[in-house]
Amino acid sequence: GQNIDQPTEMTATEGAIVQINCTYQTSGFNGLFWYQQHAGEAPTFLSYNVLDGLEEKGRFSSFLSRSKGYSYLLLKELQMKDSASYLCAALDSNYQLIWGAGTKLIIKP
Amino acid sequence: DTAVSQTPKYLVTQMGNDKSIKCEQNLGHDTMYWYKQDSKKFLKIMFSYNNKELIINETVPNRFSPKSPDKAHLNLHINSLELGDSAVYFCASSPGNDPNTGELFFGEGSRLTVL
Repeated sequence: GQNIDQPTEMTATEGAIVQINCTYQTSGFNGLFWYQQHAGEAPTFLSYNVLDGLEEKGRFSSFLSRSKGYSYLLLKELQMKDSASYLCAALDSNYQLIWGAGTKLIIKP
Repeated sequence: DTAVSQTPKYLVTQMGNDKSIKCEQNLGHDTMYWYKQDSKKFLKIMFSYNNKELIINETVPNRFSPKSPDKAHLNLHINSLELGDSAVYFCASSPGNDPNTGELFFGEGSRLTVL
């Protein structure tokens, strides 16, 4: 079956760095997405990786290893507004997005 | 202007009723979707339309019927509502001729509560 695994919840301190991991098992693979979802709001796109390696975009970076079925989202210089759920989603061979349940990130001052 | 807008944002209704949620996107995208996010926060695809044509129809009870009058609109009608239908329903759109080849733009969600 197809599956996305990510931690349910993580806690970090304002100004610090946090890495949110995601492992995936899909029928074929056409890329890995990260979305941010604040409580009560819609998910918003953060990143898309289809090749191995690290993609940096400001304070957020996303890494992909296709051979390991593994990705992570790295958030630097954490701010209180980064408190949200972070959803990992993989695009399978049929171009269907398979979603994880999300990682709730709690930022403490 | 809101890119993907859906109405109503909140809907409280009794079991057995019929209700509709409307969605409109002004991004010029070819593909639109309906997702259901339950209390455990899993996003589950329900339907996908590309240029008014049904592309994805996941295992969803036939009480749920999508309608796309044009490529900018995708409405969701639900008959005989059940308690388990309580969830947040997200509309989304993406550019391109193939579904899910690009990032998704989500509406704000419609929280349906069935009593």
